Amino acid sequence: EAQVTQNPRYLITVTGKKLTVTCSQNMNHEYMSWYRQDPGLGLRQIYYSMNVEATDKGDVPEGYKVSRKEKRNFPLILESPSPNQTSLYFCASSPWTGAYEQYFGPGTRLTVT
Amino acid sequence: DAKTTQPPSMDCAEGRAANLPCNHSTISGNEYVYWYRQIHSQGPQYIIHGLKNNETNEMASLIITEDRKSSTLILPHATLRDTAVYYCIVSTDSWGKLQFGAGTQVVVTP
Repeated sequence: EAQVTQNPRYLITVTGKKLTVTCSQNMNHEYMSWYRQDPGLGLRQIYYSMNVEATDKGDVPEGYKVSRKEKRNFPLILESPSPNQTSLYFCASSPWTGAYEQYFGPGTRLTVT
Repeated sequence: DAKTTQPPSMDCAEGRAANLPCNHSTISGNEYVYWYRQIHSQGPQYIIHGLKNNETNEMASLIITEDRKSSTLILPHATLRDTAVYYCIVSTDSWGKLQFGAGTQVVVTP
């Protein structure tokens, strides 16, 4: 089944403890991105990647890192999480940059205490 | 990218057509209209997109006015599983970023 998977789905952690949220797609898509969703603010793009080894900042990149070493994987790294990074995170992919349809993962609910 | 205006909420009876309006009066010539929906904190799901012409697929129809300043998403026979937040997005296809607004909360009732 064609899909975008994220792990973990739920995570509670403490301030400053490094964490990684994984994202993987099995559709051979070139484009991948990360969004966060907060009440009243909607979904906002954090980082995106147009292909392997090509990443760039979205609207809210502060406090996050990404890497794209393989086409299928696009992990989101929080080096020193803070409470304001408590949010619902979505990974998305599409066949190429600007393709009409983007496929979203199921989401990762992160709580930083 | 152009901004969109959608009603915050609407109800629809099961089995009836749901007509979701979207205003995008500042849309430019190379911007597409996209519709996505999000069912209760799940990942958003693509529904349909269009540039000028009306479009139809297995999920919905998209009607874009001739001046392209507004559009309507039509769910022809709403079911309870169509209860979701529906987002109208206007964007060029250049960088892949989707600018989600507040959307319309659609509740389909039996």
